[in-house]
Amino acid sequence: GENVEQHPSTLSVQEGDSAVIKCTYSDSASNYFPWYKQELGKGPQLIIDIRSNVGEKKDQRIAVTLNKTAKHFSLHITETQPEDSAVYFCAAKDSNYQLIWGAGTKLIIKP
Amino acid sequence: NAGVMQNPRHLVRRRGQEARLRCSPMKGHSHVYWYRQLPEEGLKFMVYLQKENIIDESGMPKERFSAEFPKEGPSILRIQQVVRGDSAAYFCASSPPGQGGGAFFGQGTRLTVV
Repeated sequence: GENVEQHPSTLSVQEGDSAVIKCTYSDSASNYFPWYKQELGKGPQLIIDIRSNVGEKKDQRIAVTLNKTAKHFSLHITETQPEDSAVYFCAAKDSNYQLIWGAGTKLIIKP
Repeated sequence: NAGVMQNPRHLVRRRGQEARLRCSPMKGHSHVYWYRQLPEEGLKFMVYLQKENIIDESGMPKERFSAEFPKEGPSILRIQQVVRGDSAAYFCASSPPGQGGGAFFGQGTRLTVV
């Protein structure tokens, strides 16, 4: 079955700098890769997603890249702001349409 | 289009009682996932259901826990004879049929067992 690994588990960056979170997956049949942001006390929120027929997608300060050959995808946040501090989760939808999750990355934005 | 609705938001149960957690998926979504989250930890998959079918329950404890997603009405996660270790946030997510859709989460039910 699908297995998703996420790194790093904690990431601390200076406000204004960029943050990159990386995930790898094992099932080559997976073709949908969402990213979620979870703030304290709230449910995860879908922030961006990418399908396997696309290599990169951007939405303002957030971008996701996908390398199907290497089976990895990454979340890029530029010009980080204090409100970006949260836990971020990657996921992959496998051939059974089930979401398989990474373990999460705690992003800390230092003022 | 209302989002995923979970109720109650907070639930307090005494040890040995039953807890019933409800999840109404987004309109048009036929797939439901239940997750459990302890403080400072990630999401732990419990069960994946489609209408009237349990697709994958590999993350659910074999005893005391059950889930259903009937043809009509919300999905229910049921915990019988709760113990203190069941205290956690339980999140439900729904997604549309097929490969293309992302999952959208409810705000969760925080279960406290006293």
